[in-house]
Amino acid sequence: DAGVIQSPRHEVTEMGQEVTLRCKPISGHNSLFWYRQTMMRGLELLIYFNNNVPIDDSGMPEDRFSAKMPNASFSTLKIQPSEPRDSAVYFCASSSYSGGMTDTQYFGPGTRLTVL
Amino acid sequence: SQKIEQNSEALNIQEGKTATLTCNYTNYSPAYLQWYRQDPGRGPVFLLLIRENEKEKRKERLKVTFDTTLKQSLFHITASQPADSATYLCALNTNAGKSTFGDGTTLTVKP
Repeated sequence: DAGVIQSPRHEVTEMGQEVTLRCKPISGHNSLFWYRQTMMRGLELLIYFNNNVPIDDSGMPEDRFSAKMPNASFSTLKIQPSEPRDSAVYFCASSSYSGGMTDTQYFGPGTRLTVL
Repeated sequence: SQKIEQNSEALNIQEGKTATLTCNYTNYSPAYLQWYRQDPGRGPVFLLLIRENEKEKRKERLKVTFDTTLKQSLFHITASQPADSATYLCALNTNAGKSTFGDGTTLTVKP
């Protein structure tokens, strides 16, 4: 198995531009998580999906952030418009979840976003 | 408010010694707790999971304890090696499937 795949690995953009991060979870996993990691705030959960349905998006910082999971094998995290304070490493993770117990999460390599 | 604290930002030990990392939490009732390892430039990697009704879990040189009365988990690496140098994260999980991570402790094992 290739593991969780994220693209791009690095993204440099200018303030105000739209940024789209992509994630392909491990085949067979039904939960998908988007995290953001910075030195100041550590690893923060932004949103997670079960069976393609958003369950908890309380970590999404602002309306500028949106996430979709159109099918079991693909998810996007979009920032529009981007701001310098959005600069961070964004991780996608997937796991198996069944009725109250989730399996361990497998993380992708992350996307390092720099907003100038 | 809910809070997770890992004992210190950095821990330096000599090769061969036992490293002990602490994870304390308040205002949580976790169903289980996990420990992850993160190397620079990479995503966290799962190490061990311990459930609320388990006191101790072992895997090779790793040992985790979970005290729900003290609201604390201890993570031990015995016979530490320079290759164990990394950041270690604890994560608390509820039955809703959501993980909340601590800030991590960076361990450096010196030869």
